[in-house]
Amino acid sequence: KAGVTQTPRYLIKTRGQQVTLSCSPISGHRSVSWYQQTPGQGLQFLFEYFSETQRNKGNFPGRFSGRQFSNSRSEMNVSTLELGDSALYLCASSYVPGDTIYFGEGSWLTVV
Amino acid sequence: GENVEQHPSTLSVQEGDSAVIKCTYSDSASNYFPWYKQELGKGPQLIIDIRSNVGEKKDQRIAVTLNKTAKHFSLHITETQPEDSAVYFCASRGGYQKVTFGTGTKLQVIP
Repeated sequence: KAGVTQTPRYLIKTRGQQVTLSCSPISGHRSVSWYQQTPGQGLQFLFEYFSETQRNKGNFPGRFSGRQFSNSRSEMNVSTLELGDSALYLCASSYVPGDTIYFGEGSWLTVV
Repeated sequence: GENVEQHPSTLSVQEGDSAVIKCTYSDSASNYFPWYKQELGKGPQLIIDIRSNVGEKKDQRIAVTLNKTAKHFSLHITETQPEDSAVYFCASRGGYQKVTFGTGTKLQVIP
């Protein structure tokens, strides 16, 4: 079956703009989590959703937000982009919270 | 919150030799420890995981050991091959909490 699908794979935005990233989990998976990966900070947890509800949230400013739809697909949004937001954004899914997580290929965001 | 330390940050081995990556965690409630391999330009891929009721788990050339008393776990790769070159991440999780990752180990296997 298909893995975790993230779109778009690559994008370039200008400082101050906003961006929306999309994630389709593995079929049957109902939990989706998001991570930011940068060379200096490693894999940082953003948030986790299950049944359209945010269950956990990492230490990121309010500019970072997300949501989950009834079909378990998820989106994350970053508003008022800063240069430091340039990173690989990874989505991961699992059957339920606490189960093994599987990652997508990520969305590469460059802010100029 | 949970803190996971991973060592070494870089590791170079000759093809055919073994590689060992070590991680320590801080939360005694952690009970699930996965390992991920990330190749250049790709997302992390789960390669093996272990739960706290098991001390060791093997899958072909890969093995993971867990010492709950000392709060550390290790990844062992035997007979390394060039395709094992990648960044490896350890992680831990307690119950339904979020997964916490180590800082990664860049493994280079020299042919």
